[in-house]
Amino acid sequence: GENVEQHPSTLSVQEGDSAVIKCTYSDSASNYFPWYKQELGKRPQLIIDIRSNVGEKKDQRIAVTLNKTAKHFSLHITETQPEDSAVYFCAAMRSSRNTPLVFGKGTRLSVIA
Amino acid sequence: KAGVTQTPRYLIKTRGQQVTLSCSPISGHRSVSWYQQTPGQGLQFLFEYFSETQRNKGNFPGRFSGRQFSNSRSEMNVSTLELGDSALYLCASSPDGQGAREQYFGPGTRLTVT
Repeated sequence: GENVEQHPSTLSVQEGDSAVIKCTYSDSASNYFPWYKQELGKRPQLIIDIRSNVGEKKDQRIAVTLNKTAKHFSLHITETQPEDSAVYFCAAMRSSRNTPLVFGKGTRLSVIA
Repeated sequence: KAGVTQTPRYLIKTRGQQVTLSCSPISGHRSVSWYQQTPGQGLQFLFEYFSETQRNKGNFPGRFSGRQFSNSRSEMNVSTLELGDSALYLCASSPDGQGAREQYFGPGTRLTVT
């Protein structure tokens, strides 16, 4: 089955700096890669996702890149703000085979004002 | 549309007891997945139900079970509770169809086993 590794487990950045979180996956047939943000005491919320037919996707200060050959994908947050502080989870799945979404263990991002 | 709801939000049980958690998906969503979240372990997949059938199952013991009703509401049951079952249990619903698998999470049920 799919296995997703996520790094780093914790990340501290100064406000205004960029943050990058990386994930690798094992199943070359995985084709859907979402990122979730979970603030303290709240539910995980989908912030961006990418499918295997594109290499990059942006949404304001957030971008995700996908390298299918290397089987890794990354979340990039630019101009970080204190409200970006949260735990971020990456995930991967084969949407065409009805397989479950497999999550990484999460990255705790702290943005220091 | 109303979001995913879960009841109860908090639960305290004693070791050896059993517990039932409930999840109501977003209207129109037919898939419901359950996850166990513990510090440092991320989100571990328990099972997924689609149209009242278990479609996928994670690596959890048989003490963990679930079901889905015709209105897509789902319940999960944990029997013979152990201290290690203390966790946040999250359910997530997603739209029908193989391509659209975005999952929307409920607020979770915080289970404490003493």
